[in-house]
Amino acid sequence: GAVVSQHPSWVICKSGTSVKIECRSLDFQATTMFWYRQFPKQSLMLMATSNEGSKATYEQGVEKDKFLINHASLTLSTLTVTSAHPEDSSFYICSAWLGTDTQYFGPGTRLTVL
Amino acid sequence: AQSVTQLGSHVSVSEGALVLLRCNYSSSVPPYLFWYVQYPNQGLQLLLKYTSAATLVKGINGFEAEFKKSETSFHLTKPSAHMSDAAEYFCAVSTAQGAQKLVFGQGTRLTINP
Repeated sequence: GAVVSQHPSWVICKSGTSVKIECRSLDFQATTMFWYRQFPKQSLMLMATSNEGSKATYEQGVEKDKFLINHASLTLSTLTVTSAHPEDSSFYICSAWLGTDTQYFGPGTRLTVL
Repeated sequence: AQSVTQLGSHVSVSEGALVLLRCNYSSSVPPYLFWYVQYPNQGLQLLLKYTSAATLVKGINGFEAEFKKSETSFHLTKPSAHMSDAAEYFCAVSTAQGAQKLVFGQGTRLTINP
């Protein structure tokens, strides 16, 4: 149980385009989903907290207009990187929280912006 | 506020040897502590967690960790390393009051020598 999927697993796009990443909880309904960013050989940095039906809460320094988060249902959250640039290239990981003590992580999406 | 320090960004051991990955935490309230493992280009998999029950916690793949309040530590151990244990390991902390807010350590890359 507690499986989280992400789609796509990797994406390459041209600078200036927008990319959407989906995060789904497959066998449970998640109260809250989180989006993290991980640079090579570094730890995970929380970008935003996403609650179904409400606006996402962004961490300090994260541009909300650049990283659009939509949490349309209890099993789906999307992250859209708008007008992507090479510096947005990173590994993006989502997690889902059932309201207990543990977050369950997706497999990640590698974004490369040319 | 909580924080985590992982001592040693890179640990190398021989196959069959003891694995010891160090994690120290800081928390003003009783912590929840987690160890996650990340294989290349994958998300995080929960190894084990401490949530104020038994101080010696057993996880998957033969790993265990001991919560020591006096030392503010939660070190991860495995008696005998296997080649498949090579990965990045992250220690993380949250609290009962903020179980959804995970703070990660910097990560430790474990290399297994044949």
